[in-house]
Amino acid sequence: EAQVTQNPRYLITVTGKKLTVTCSQNMNHEYMSWYRQDPGLGLRQIYYSMNVEVTDKGDVPEGYKVSRKEKRNFPLILESPSPNQTSLYFCASSRTGFYTDTQYFGPGTRLTVL
Amino acid sequence: KNQVEQSPQSLIILEGKNCTLQCNYTVSPFSNLRWYKQDTGRGPVSLTIMTFSENTKSNGRYTATLDADTKQSSLHITASQLSDSASYICVVSASGYGGSQGNLIFGKGTKLSVKP
Repeated sequence: EAQVTQNPRYLITVTGKKLTVTCSQNMNHEYMSWYRQDPGLGLRQIYYSMNVEVTDKGDVPEGYKVSRKEKRNFPLILESPSPNQTSLYFCASSRTGFYTDTQYFGPGTRLTVL
Repeated sequence: KNQVEQSPQSLIILEGKNCTLQCNYTVSPFSNLRWYKQDTGRGPVSLTIMTFSENTKSNGRYTATLDADTKQSSLHITASQLSDSASYICVVSASGYGGSQGNLIFGKGTKLSVKP
């Protein structure tokens, strides 16, 4: 089944403790993106990747890192999480450019930073 | 400034009734417009994607329209079902300049509740 998977689905952590949210897609898509969704603000893009080893900042990249060492994986790294990073996170992939092609979203990761 | 405004913010309808959700945008240069359905606690799922030259597109009981002149889109849901209860997000894509990547501008969504 074609899908985007994320792990973990739920995570409660404390300020400053490094964490990684994994994202994997099995559709051989070129583009992958990370979004956060907050009440009243909608979805905002954090980072995106156009291919292996090619990443760029989205609208709200501060406090996040990403890497794309393999085509199928695009992990999101929070080196020193803070409470304002409490949010619902989505990974998405698309066959070609995210702004030209349909995006497929993962199931989401609900992160709480205490 | 590129913006996408959706209305209403929320809507309650009875099962079996039709409804229409609105999306107005000020995005330039326009590339395409998408509608997504997002069930509570889950990732958005694409319903339709329309380019400048398309003014209507259907996906089962969902029909999206696009008026590029007035920069308005609507999503019409026919014979609603309980499973249609979700947030519906309008997303407009702006093309990039000079080789740079384009951009997606997300609306805040309309929360639809379908009651029995």
